Amino acid sequence: DADVTQTPRNRITKTGKRIMLECSQTKGHDRMYWYRQDPGLGLRLIYYSFDVKDINKGEISDGYSVSRQAQAKFSLSLESAIPNQTALYFCATGSDNQETQYFGPGTRLLVL
Amino acid sequence: AQSVTQPDIHITVSEGASLELRCNYSYGATPYLFWYVQSPGQGLQLLLKYFSGDTLVQGIKGFEAEFKRSQSSFNLRKPSVHWSDAAEYFCAAYSYNTDKLIFGTGTRLQVFP
Repeated sequence: DADVTQTPRNRITKTGKRIMLECSQTKGHDRMYWYRQDPGLGLRLIYYSFDVKDINKGEISDGYSVSRQAQAKFSLSLESAIPNQTALYFCATGSDNQETQYFGPGTRLLVL
Repeated sequence: AQSVTQPDIHITVSEGASLELRCNYSYGATPYLFWYVQSPGQGLQLLLKYFSGDTLVQGIKGFEAEFKRSQSSFNLRKPSVHWSDAAEYFCAAYSYNTDKLIFGTGTRLQVFP
């Protein structure tokens, strides 16, 4: 089984809809991250969490919110989706004092 | 500002040819450096990383990278490319000062038979 899983893998939604992307991990890591990938821009950090009670904004947090329900679960929400949020979204984990991050398979989101 | 630059957006090589993908970083101190690969429709897989010590690091799938402090570079190399190496490659840097991983914009590798 994969260490970092994301659901759904693909999603099409309409402008103005609320959607949630979910991430689960079995690596036992405290740190979790949400990134978005756009062609030509690489990966940009949306939000990150160093433990269940710690949530931090990343580089591009506007229009997004997150919830850390447990050590193993970190959800990303788009309260009112807009077309420029069409992207590939990645969840990642990392342990304290370990700079390496481990990525999920990604969720491809299309906002019409 | 801290940044990671991958100057080549797209590279095409023939199968069996050698490969070098460039990566430059701009940080106050030497960051930790990583190369990830993203195959079509897949997530990011860690190829190799450099924290300290030997400046030539070996990774998976026959890749290696060399850290050059004087050039602020961490270029990825492979002596003989296989068709299955076609993918997008990302260089990334981590600094304790920011406690964040910053990615380059990626280099897409195409391999011709």
